[in-house]
Amino acid sequence: NAGVTQTPKFQVLKTGQSMTLQCAQDMNHEYMSWYRQDPGMGLRLIHYSVGAGITDQGEVPNGYNVSRSTTEDFPLRLLSAAPSQTSVYFCASSYSVGGHGNTIYFGEGSWLTVV
Amino acid sequence: EDQVTQSPEALRLQEGESSSLNCSYTVSGLRGLFWYRQDPGKGPEFLFTLYSAGEEKEKERLKATLTKKESFLHITAPKPEDSATYLCAALRGETIKAAGNKLTFGGGTRVLVKP
Repeated sequence: NAGVTQTPKFQVLKTGQSMTLQCAQDMNHEYMSWYRQDPGMGLRLIHYSVGAGITDQGEVPNGYNVSRSTTEDFPLRLLSAAPSQTSVYFCASSYSVGGHGNTIYFGEGSWLTVV
Repeated sequence: EDQVTQSPEALRLQEGESSSLNCSYTVSGLRGLFWYRQDPGKGPEFLFTLYSAGEEKEKERLKATLTKKESFLHITAPKPEDSATYLCAALRGETIKAAGNKLTFGGGTRVLVKP
């Protein structure tokens, strides 16, 4: 996956703990997004950003916060982790909206377990 | 509400046995239909984007086609290395800034190619 870096790869949290999943891209992409992938549910959009300083909610935003202070970084914050947030998280980016000639790239994923 | 449905959920093929995967979609004003390959423990890897009905794209043993209601991914003479989960996703038609990268994903088709 070209240029989208996620950290950490694996994380175990206790219920109520907070943490931040990091996402960085070095392609000067304008658009970035966070998805979660659960068995039987497919990939679902959590939050997305269309540029520095601009974010909006996706399909499943509850329990997550985001900010976009730079073009390169789009961190996802869990303020008070719950077992329902156990999932695999993917960050995605593209130069602009996925229209003609554009490609949406995904990171390698972050596996989160909340106990 | 946008909806993307993939079938079958799983497909077992013998090496060389060609087959097709289906992706049906209900999306307001489709801006693009994306196909991704996902290997276990990895992020989705971009394969194709289709933009209008009648469009076809090919890459090695894979060929994607698009109609007004569905897309097909044809696998010709598959090899064991084609074993993966294939995901399709639709990008709805909104204004550029509103759309971001709000992909709606199907549940995926797990393909296993046996030698």
